[in-house]
Amino acid sequence: EVQLVESGGGLVQPGGSLRLSCAASGFTFSSYWMSWVRQAPGKGLEWVANIKQDGSEKYYVDSVKGRFTISRDNAKNSLYLQMNSLRAEDTAVYYCARVRLRHYFDYWGQGTLVTVSS
Amino acid sequence: QSALTQPRSVSGSPGQSVTISCTGTSSDVGGYNYVSWYQQHPGKAPKLMIYDVSKRPSGVPDRFSGSKSGNTASLTISGLQAEDEADYYCCSYAGILLVFGGGTKLTVL
Repeated sequence: EVQLVESGGGLVQPGGSLRLSCAASGFTFSSYWMSWVRQAPGKGLEWVANIKQDGSEKYYVDSVKGRFTISRDNAKNSLYLQMNSLRAEDTAVYYCARVRLRHYFDYWGQGTLVTVSS
Repeated sequence: QSALTQPRSVSGSPGQSVTISCTGTSSDVGGYNYVSWYQQHPGKAPKLMIYDVSKRPSGVPDRFSGSKSGNTASLTISGLQAEDEADYYCCSYAGILLVFGGGTKLTVL
């Protein structure tokens, strides 16, 4: 059974940093593109970043470029999102998702809440 | 990277059909046959319902169908059931990047 479990969310002050993790199991993690998708409270879904199987390609939504870094450790079956210079508008539930054929998400984690507030 | 346009809400009675539209541009919806749809119940993670415009993953009822014409994709749910009440999001490939619609709340009357 495919499982994606996010962790690392919490309350952080504006300008602060946070690192999210996603532990994957039930599939060959190193064979899939992976993504982070977020959802602000009461709002819609927003794709944040993608990473290729070997980590050699990474893509970001414009609003997080230069502040967020997606990475992975295939030996640990884990996906990460390093978030720096956090802003109030980054407040959201962050989901880890498995990507198929680079253009759709077939499995999602339960999400981890990041709150940016002073 | 503008969000795709979806109606904020739609509604229907049990047994009826409803269609949710998703309008983009030639750079996303119109440029690729890579539209997917997700169902999200309150407090839950999204669930894949349709991919590649009209393909259904295993386990998704055939009451759910997808289509596309030009820059607009559509999700049709026939034989509405109470459990279909949820938020629905479209998503399109936009050449490396991915863009979601704003979401549509489906109410089953």
